[in-house]
Amino acid sequence: AQSVAQPEDQVNVAEGNPLTVKCTYSVSGNPYLFWYVQYPNRGLQFLLKYITGDNLVKGSYGFEAEFNKSQTSFHLKKPSALVSDSALYFCAVRDTDRDDKIIFGKGTRLHILP
Amino acid sequence: KAGVTQTPRYLIKTRGQQVTLSCSPISGHRSVSWYQQTPGQGLQFLFEYFSETQRNKGNFPGRFSGRQFSNSRSEMNVSTLELGDSALYLCASSFSPGTAYEQYFGPGTRLTVT
Repeated sequence: AQSVAQPEDQVNVAEGNPLTVKCTYSVSGNPYLFWYVQYPNRGLQFLLKYITGDNLVKGSYGFEAEFNKSQTSFHLKKPSALVSDSALYFCAVRDTDRDDKIIFGKGTRLHILP
Repeated sequence: KAGVTQTPRYLIKTRGQQVTLSCSPISGHRSVSWYQQTPGQGLQFLFEYFSETQRNKGNFPGRFSGRQFSNSRSEMNVSTLELGDSALYLCASSFSPGTAYEQYFGPGTRLTVT
């Protein structure tokens, strides 16, 4: 069965430092991978996606993610964190070879410390 | 272009009652998905609709149902409410289902069951 794991419930990073939010997935076929961000009392906002092609994907607000097929990972990264990046981040996967249901991770809360 | 709208934004119901939530997708989007978000379970997929047909369904009891209208607007219904149904219910729309298209989320309906 397809699944997605975000191993860290919370990540703390000092402002200006690089940040990484981890995501690993399991699918039987080829994955479509997504990152979303949720600010307090708001719905989720799309950040970026990997479909095919270049393993490094660039998205909104300076975020990028690297697809690693051998490690089945899709970690979210940003070179220099801002306090405004503090939010809840969700990784999601859609298995294109099965029933196309999209599965979300449980989320990682990112705290950027001023 | 207007975003995804959900009504009502907040709802308080009593155990045993039923509730109907509404979602209007972004203009031109024909796929609508529903999710339940709780602190303990994260984001769980409820169902996905396209062209008035349910394409996918998550692992929820039959008390949870939905439908989509010809104008792509969607409603979900929960009958015989239980305390555990208290959650944020998110609706998301996309141009087409089962593809690489990202989803756009509404602000959610916060349901409290007492």
